[in-house]
Amino acid sequence: AQSVTQLGSHVSVSEGALVLLRCNYSSSVPPYLFWYVQYPNQGLQLLLKYTTGATLVKGINGFEAEFKKSETSFHLTKPSAHMSDAAEYFCAVSVNTGGFKTIFGAGTRLFVKA
Amino acid sequence: EAGVVQSPRYKIIEKKQPVAFWCNPISGHNTLYWYLQNLGQGPELLIRYENEEAVDDSQLPKDRFSAERLKGVDSTLKIQPAELGDSAVYLCASRTGGENTGELFFGEGSRLTVL
Repeated sequence: AQSVTQLGSHVSVSEGALVLLRCNYSSSVPPYLFWYVQYPNQGLQLLLKYTTGATLVKGINGFEAEFKKSETSFHLTKPSAHMSDAAEYFCAVSVNTGGFKTIFGAGTRLFVKA
Repeated sequence: EAGVVQSPRYKIIEKKQPVAFWCNPISGHNTLYWYLQNLGQGPELLIRYENEEAVDDSQLPKDRFSAERLKGVDSTLKIQPAELGDSAVYLCASRTGGENTGELFFGEGSRLTVL
């Protein structure tokens, strides 16, 4: 079975500051890892994903995440926050066990202060 | 290319009434998911379809919830009768079949309010 834990339901940063959203996972088989973003009254959209290969992955809007197997982590970062980054962010783990099953974390709401 | 389409976007009903949500996935996407998202929570899987077959419905409360995907394309999720605790957003997602990375494409969701 797999699970996802996002540390911090709310994160607040100043515009221009570093964004760090934490995600830890557990999985009995090698997982695929994702970060999705959700803006108010919208569905989720993919920010970035890790499948295999390079452990540092880059996504849209300047976000990146690093897969650390030894720490079972997949933290999301962005060097400089913009006001438009304010949204809900979800970490997800997906495993292929005769079809992909995707489990989501509880989410982290990012606030960006001017 | 059109994305995942859901309707209605918003629905307000009184408890004990029935309600249905419709989802049309991205063309060619064999796998369709219904997720439940409570306020301030992540999506929770209700049911997963591979073409017209429900391959994972273990989290679907079958006493009041039902779903169908008759021709392996669009899908309907029904609640009858609705309870106050069913107030949530119902998200539909799809992905291509076969071996891939499992990326999901989501619709905008159907927000249900039960009074």
